[in-house]
Parts: sequence; C-alpha cells; structure tokens
Amino acid sequence: DAKTTQPTSMDCAEGRAANLPCNHSTISGNEYVYWYRQIHSQGPQYIIHGLKNNETNEMASLIITEDRKSSTLILPHATLRDTAVYYCIVRVVTGFQKLVFGTGTRLLVSP
Amino acid sequence: DTAVSQTPKYLVTQMGNDKSIKCEQNLGHDTMYWYKQDSKKFLKIMFSYNNKELIINETVPNRFSPKSPDKAHLNLHINSLELGDSAVYFCASSLSGPNSNQPQHFGDGTRLSIL
Repeated sequence: DAKTTQPTSMDCAEGRAANLPCNHSTISGNEYVYWYRQIHSQGPQYIIHGLKNNETNEMASLIITEDRKSSTLILPHATLRDTAVYYCIVRVVTGFQKLVFGTGTRLLVSP
Repeated sequence: DTAVSQTPKYLVTQMGNDKSIKCEQNLGHDTMYWYKQDSKKFLKIMFSYNNKELIINETVPNRFSPKSPDKAHLNLHINSLELGDSAVYFCASSLSGPNSNQPQHFGDGTRLSIL
C-alpha cells in the first residue's frame, strides 16, 4: 500500500473549518483514500473514503486532487469533540483489507 | 447496541500468565481483525479472519492464538504473557469481498498491563 505523509499536528478554532492535508504521491489507480480518527482512549473511527471524486457525508468532506497525489479532509465546523488523531490511509481494494496506520495528524480544537 | 464490543476493557495480570480477550460484532460483517497499539501509539494489524478462516497473519509470536468460533466472534488468547505485550488491543470488523472497499469498524479496545 502507498505511504502517506501528514503534518504531525494542527490547531483549529472551534466553529471554524479544519482542513487536514494528506500527501500520497505514489498512489496507484486502484487505491482508495480512507480517513479514520482516534479520539483519546477510544478505538479508531471511520470518517470517509474515496477513489477519485470528492465525497461528503454527515461527518466530513474529502477533496482529492485531480492527479490523486494528495487529498484534504474538511471538518466544516470543528467542535471540541473533534480533537483527535486523524489518519489518512491508502489501500488497494483487491483481496482482503489491510489498513496500515501511519502516525497521523493530531488536531487540537480550541475554544 | 454496541457494534463491536470487546471484553474485558481492562486487563492487569502478571508476567507468565495466560489470558484471553473476547470480541463480538453485531453488524453482520464477515471479516474480523485484531490490532495492537503500543505505548508509542503505533497501531498495527495482527490477524484477520474471514468467515472463520485466517487470512492475515502478521509477524506475531505464536504465543498469540486467535480463534473464531463463528463470523460474529474473534477471540485472542495469549500464552506466557511478557512485559512487551502491554498495549491496547483493538478488535475490528468489516464486510469484505474480493474487491470490497467497505470500511472497518473498531471496538473501544482492551488495555492490557503486564506487571
């Protein structure tokens, strides 16, 4: 699976949009981009995933560049409860799943 | 109505003991996983079962033995516990097929501490 690069940490003010970048320059055509987060002392939580097109759900939006070499997770109105470590993962969807977690981005949402 | 539940939540035991962690999912998924998160917070897959069959077995000491009695359960038995086994163990499940892009759902973890 392709490797990803994320900033170690980011800060965001409560109520503002949080934009978390992820670089995956070696991604191949059959690899999806997944985002998970881990709130302190809890298990990882699935947020969103996509292949080529931008995606939106009740939690977040995922913007994937046209060349697919990078993506951005957008939390439109960050709350204190969004403070967590966010993981960007790319994986091929042939065979059985194997998620390879990196070090992620620690997002701190402040009042 | 927890989707992926693990028991116990906390496990404190002495070196050399044998212990088991249980995992159950009520999502109707056919694939289950065990992950280990060490003190440095690295999260790494250990095992995966699909329809009770072992499909992923990372480089894990054979003191760790997963068992899947049915699709909804995946238990982890650990023999001769060592200090380095102290970690948080997460169970996960997903609906998988040959080309599935379905996400994994995680439990809240079992915090294992070896004295």
